[in-house]
Amino acid sequence: KNEVEQSPQNLTAQEGEFITINCSYSVGISALHWLQQHPGGGIVSLFMLSSGKKKHGRLIATINIQEKHSSLHITASHPRDSAVYICAVYSNQFYFGTGTSLTVIP
Amino acid sequence: DAGVIQSPRHEVTEMGQEVTLRCKPISGHNSLFWYRQTMMRGLELLIYFNNNVPIDDSGMPEDRFSAKMPNASFSTLKIQPSEPRDSAVYFCASTTTSGRAFYNEQFFGPGTRLTVL
Repeated sequence: KNEVEQSPQNLTAQEGEFITINCSYSVGISALHWLQQHPGGGIVSLFMLSSGKKKHGRLIATINIQEKHSSLHITASHPRDSAVYICAVYSNQFYFGTGTSLTVIP
Repeated sequence: DAGVIQSPRHEVTEMGQEVTLRCKPISGHNSLFWYRQTMMRGLELLIYFNNNVPIDDSGMPEDRFSAKMPNASFSTLKIQPSEPRDSAVYFCASTTTSGRAFYNEQFFGPGTRLTVL
């Protein structure tokens, strides 16, 4: 059983669409991270959340501690958003989701 | 700022050989993390250091793996002897922390792609 489950595993969207990626976890956590891995392999940290909501440009991340769920939203998606998005939670150790592969078509 | 620097970027070696991966964190960062990524297992945290001291090495797969951080600007991950199942991309990341290392944004290096034949 995976402590962190992401959905969907794969997602294709048209440019301009609103995108939601979900992350559910089964352990009590003290921090949740969203990471973006580019097609070339590089990893960028997008957000760290312990409660509430954060926004950076077109990206919004929310977390509901009671429901053990987080979402990553992308507004006005663009082909450059095409990447794998990874959810990671920290609960005395780090647990990683398997990632959501997003492709945005022009 | 040069970001986190890792070397080599690619390493191909034969089973049984010693492999040393290197990482230079961002200047001023006091926490450093080593990760491994494979298709089968995804991303895994191997070990992390805070102020050059190993804090949690529970992710290190076995005694063949060792990591050191002799000073604030350099860390190594060594595999001896290497095995084909060690083939993966190894990432180093750094951040600043005042004790809770996983509460801050981490900055990742470009990774080292290791292939063990």
